[in-house]
Amino acid sequence: SQQGEEDPQALSIQEGENATMNCSYKTSINNLQWYRQNSGRGLVHLILIRSNEREKHSGRLRVTLDTSKKSSSLLITASRAADTASYFCATRGGNTPLVFGKGTRLSVIA
Amino acid sequence: GAGVSQSPRYKVAKRGQDVALRCDPISGHVSLFWYQQALGQGPEFLTYFQNEAQLDKSGLPSDRFFAERPEGSVSTLKIQRTQQEDSAVYLCASSPGVNTGELFFGEGSRLTVL
Repeated sequence: SQQGEEDPQALSIQEGENATMNCSYKTSINNLQWYRQNSGRGLVHLILIRSNEREKHSGRLRVTLDTSKKSSSLLITASRAADTASYFCATRGGNTPLVFGKGTRLSVIA
Repeated sequence: GAGVSQSPRYKVAKRGQDVALRCDPISGHVSLFWYQQALGQGPEFLTYFQNEAQLDKSGLPSDRFFAERPEGSVSTLKIQRTQQEDSAVYLCASSPGVNTGELFFGEGSRLTVL
């Protein structure tokens, strides 16, 4: 079963625009992670935010976490065509394995 | 190697055949995970190893699925008597710690059952 639910399911933007993806989850977590997957490839880790953190940055990525609302958002600024991919949030709680959502498919049009 | 390696990348099997999928994790990584990813979906957890011990196999969909990691390094996922619903990408991931932190994924093995 999948705990995280990304929103929107698909997003299409112009190059240079910002892309925001949201993730909601159901149970308490130790950390939340975002991954990226290019078509036909494996997943690549982007960023990890712990349950006691509210915001984290990495290059053009900004992640927020609101544990009271059980939600997170991933912002990609100044998007590029190469950012076209599927983006997944994944949560870890206690001793459980990482549980992934269904993903957001991002298309960045040049 | 530098990353997680999976083989074969593509496998076509006739319904009823047995298949074996191999995963070479990053050297020294303690934790190894198998996930199943259906088309257009997120990865679904299958099973988890800490070294050679299979600590969680709650995600294996049936007793036709079997995984092992006998020496705490290479892992094999075996599917017996394959069925069409087994068609998916099987992803292997490893991590240096004990079920913490980020996962390093392989490129996956795409299984098509005819």
